[in-house]
Amino acid sequence: NAGVTQTPKFRILKIGQSMTLQCAQDMNHNYMYWYRQDPGMGLKLIYYSVGAGITDKGEVPNGYNVSRSTTEDFPLRLELAAPSQTSVYFCASSYVGAFGETQYFGPGTRLLVL
Amino acid sequence: KQEVTQIPAALSVPEGENLVLNCSFTDSAIYNLQWFRQDPGKGLTSLLLIQSSQREQTSGRLNASLDKSSGRSTLYIAASQPGDSATYLCAVRGVEYGNKLVFGAGTILRVKS
Repeated sequence: NAGVTQTPKFRILKIGQSMTLQCAQDMNHNYMYWYRQDPGMGLKLIYYSVGAGITDKGEVPNGYNVSRSTTEDFPLRLELAAPSQTSVYFCASSYVGAFGETQYFGPGTRLLVL
Repeated sequence: KQEVTQIPAALSVPEGENLVLNCSFTDSAIYNLQWFRQDPGKGLTSLLLIQSSQREQTSGRLNASLDKSSGRSTLYIAASQPGDSATYLCAVRGVEYGNKLVFGAGTILRVKS
């Protein structure tokens, strides 16, 4: 299993440009998440999905959009990039087992908006 | 609103020392608490998950405790090694935030050889 994969690893955007951060998991997990991590801060939830076709906002959704057409993929779309969106973006997937929900994280995408 | 605080923000210790990382949270209505490790440029790896009904969990040289009523958790690392150098984050899953994880900012640990 590859686990959770994210592309690209690093990207520089100009203000006002758009891009899609890709996330895929091969563990057949229903739950998927997008977080952002700013320097010296914890992770903040942007959007999440509990299954294909179902998405919902997290704590900081403004400026982002998501879709979940398949169980495996959960892309994050940035429209009209702004310097405030400079951050490291993590995708995660999870399952609920006997001992609670365990999240598996991708390696992250580092985004710089200039 | 649930807030998670980790103290200290950074810690540097010589190899072989036992150490304690602290995590506090403001809302005790939680389902569980989780400790993660993050290596530079990498994603998070789950270390220990403690259910709200549990007092502690152990994995190898790691021991995590939970005092839900006082809103505190500690991660104890025994006989630290240079390979333990990483950022350690705690996160709580609570009733208030729709059963989603709320993260602390992390403790950056450096173990010197």
